[in-house]
Amino acid sequence: QLVLTQPPSASASLGASVKLTCTLSSGHSSYTIAWHQQQPEKGPRYLMMLYNDGSHFKGDGIPDRFSGSSSGAERYLTISSLQSDDEADYYCQTWDTDIRVFGGGTKLTVL
Amino acid sequence: QVQLVESGGGLVKPGGSLRLSCAASGFTFSDYYMNWIRQAPGGGLEWVSYISSSSGSVIYYADSVKGRFTVSKDNANNLLYLQMNSLRAEDTAVYYCARDALNWHYVDYWGRGTLVTVSS
Repeated sequence: QLVLTQPPSASASLGASVKLTCTLSSGHSSYTIAWHQQQPEKGPRYLMMLYNDGSHFKGDGIPDRFSGSSSGAERYLTISSLQSDDEADYYCQTWDTDIRVFGGGTKLTVL
Repeated sequence: QVQLVESGGGLVKPGGSLRLSCAASGFTFSDYYMNWIRQAPGGGLEWVSYISSSSGSVIYYADSVKGRFTVSKDNANNLLYLQMNSLRAEDTAVYYCARDALNWHYVDYWGRGTLVTVSS
């Protein structure tokens, strides 16, 4: 079964960097994913798609501070030079023929 | 620019029905797969359904809504619909219309959502 697992929370200081993790279920380690951001009281926003080789392609207007990387079944979203409005929920998403799958989301707190 | 605007949400009693609409603009609607995705209060994102591009001949649903919800679209008027029947309290959520990227199946644009509340 295709499942994405994310830690429920993360925190980092203003101006620092943070690396968020999304783990693909066994047998699905080659899957491409996407990262989405949801700021408080807002709808989600697409950030980037991320291949299993770590190459990634960002959405329109997404700052260079956001980057992606991969290792095995792990997919990462790194945010550098953290700003207060990076405080948000971050979701990974993937798909199969008959389904779209979201991770449970990671709530990022900027200290 | 791409815009997706949902409407039709509201308060409905358990067992009732509601039809959501999504008006799309800024792109060739018929070229894209479209999704409905929901978010219960305080919860995460849950995919509900997708409909394929062109004629929409390929449709899939999450198990939680199968047999109760029906997705459809009107390419001529750039509209996506979600007919929701036999509604339950656990269907209470913000419902988002979302576009798949061209030739891919990740979401690249989201609407702002419409709130559906199922309560007596």
